[in-house]
Amino acid sequence: QQKVQQSPESLIVPEGGMASLNCTSSDRNVDYFWWYRQHSGKSPKMLMSIFSNGEKEEGRFTVHLNKASLHTSLHIRDSQPSDSALYLCAALTSGGNYKPTFGKGTSLVVHP
Amino acid sequence: NAGVIQTPRHKVTGKGQEATLWCEPISGHSAVFWYRQTIVQGLEFLTYFRNQAPIDDSGMPKERFSAQMPNQSHSTLKIQSTQPQDSAVYLCASSLGNTLYFGEGSRLIVV
Repeated sequence: QQKVQQSPESLIVPEGGMASLNCTSSDRNVDYFWWYRQHSGKSPKMLMSIFSNGEKEEGRFTVHLNKASLHTSLHIRDSQPSDSALYLCAALTSGGNYKPTFGKGTSLVVHP
Repeated sequence: NAGVIQTPRHKVTGKGQEATLWCEPISGHSAVFWYRQTIVQGLEFLTYFRNQAPIDDSGMPKERFSAQMPNQSHSTLKIQSTQPQDSAVYLCASSLGNTLYFGEGSRLIVV
């Protein structure tokens, strides 16, 4: 069964700083990664998705994917206090049921 | 679009009692998922339906948990003989393509 590992477990960055979050799948058949953001007491909301090797940028958020190493990373530049949240990585493998597997998340705190 | 609606938002139940959680997916979405979230285990897959048919229930504790989707507009998760370790936030999500849209969750506390 696929496992999704996220690191670090928690991260504190100053306002305006860069936050870098990592995620690795244990399954060589991983096809698709998502990053979800979950503010305290709220439900997870999809932030970005990626399925091709390389980089994808949306505003202050950049996602990288290296399929050979089964690794994705999320980078948040110019971090804001409103970015403080739990960031969840999800992965989907090909050939099986459509059943996204989530990591335990990285808790990000951006302090003013 | 109201999003995925889950009820109740909070439920406190005594050990050994039954708990039923409801989910109304986004209209037109073909897949419905149930996950359980705790601090220790994170977000754990329980079960999912596609076009109302059960596809994968590999995450469900077999003896006490059951899920149904009797029509397109709602799904239920039933936990019989609840135990303290069932305390968690139960999240329902629906999807049409690849993105999951989560409800706000049902927080279950078993005392």
